[in-house]
Amino acid sequence: AQSVTQLDSQVPVFEEAPVELRCNYSSSVSVYLFWYVQYPNQGLQLLLKYLSGSTLVKGINGFEAEFNKSQTSFHLRKPSVHISDTAEYFCAVSDTNTGNQFYFGTGTSLTVIP
Amino acid sequence: NAGVTQTPKFRILKIGQSMTLQCAQDMNHNYMYWYRQDPGMGLKLIYYSVGAGITDKGEVPNGYNVSRSTTEDFPLRLELAAPSQTSVYFCASSYSAVELFFGEGSRLTVL
Repeated sequence: AQSVTQLDSQVPVFEEAPVELRCNYSSSVSVYLFWYVQYPNQGLQLLLKYLSGSTLVKGINGFEAEFNKSQTSFHLRKPSVHISDTAEYFCAVSDTNTGNQFYFGTGTSLTVIP
Repeated sequence: NAGVTQTPKFRILKIGQSMTLQCAQDMNHNYMYWYRQDPGMGLKLIYYSVGAGITDKGEVPNGYNVSRSTTEDFPLRLELAAPSQTSVYFCASSYSAVELFFGEGSRLTVL
């Protein structure tokens, strides 16, 4: 089974500053990679996904992530955060061979400080 | 387009009671999942289904049961509720296991 590591459980950042949320996964087999966002008392929404092709993936709300196969990483970045970006962010992986299960990290709580 | 609908949104149970969390999707997705979310623990897979009549255990299935009689519905049954089952439960569906669509969650408290 895959494991997903989000090293930073909490990330405070000032408004308009850049941010990077880190994600590493365990296996080097072919995978699909995802970032989801969860606003308070809501379900999870897809921010972006990597299935194949370009390793730089752009998502909604100005977020982007880069797939690095050699480092088994999929870090999420935004050049300038807004107050509205305050939320919980989850990295997830699915194995393209089995495809049935998604494995989630423990989440990173992003707090944007005015 | 309703997507994934979960009911109830909130529920308080006494220890030993049973209940069913309902999940329905209108996207004709084959794959459906139940996750529980606990603070600092991320999402843990309870059960999943790859189609009507087919279910399988995830990481944390103990104390739960599921059924999948139709493509649309995937109810989660809690038997003999315990305080350890206090959590937020999310149902999700997927067409080809490429992207998950989540419901809004069901917050369960067992006292």
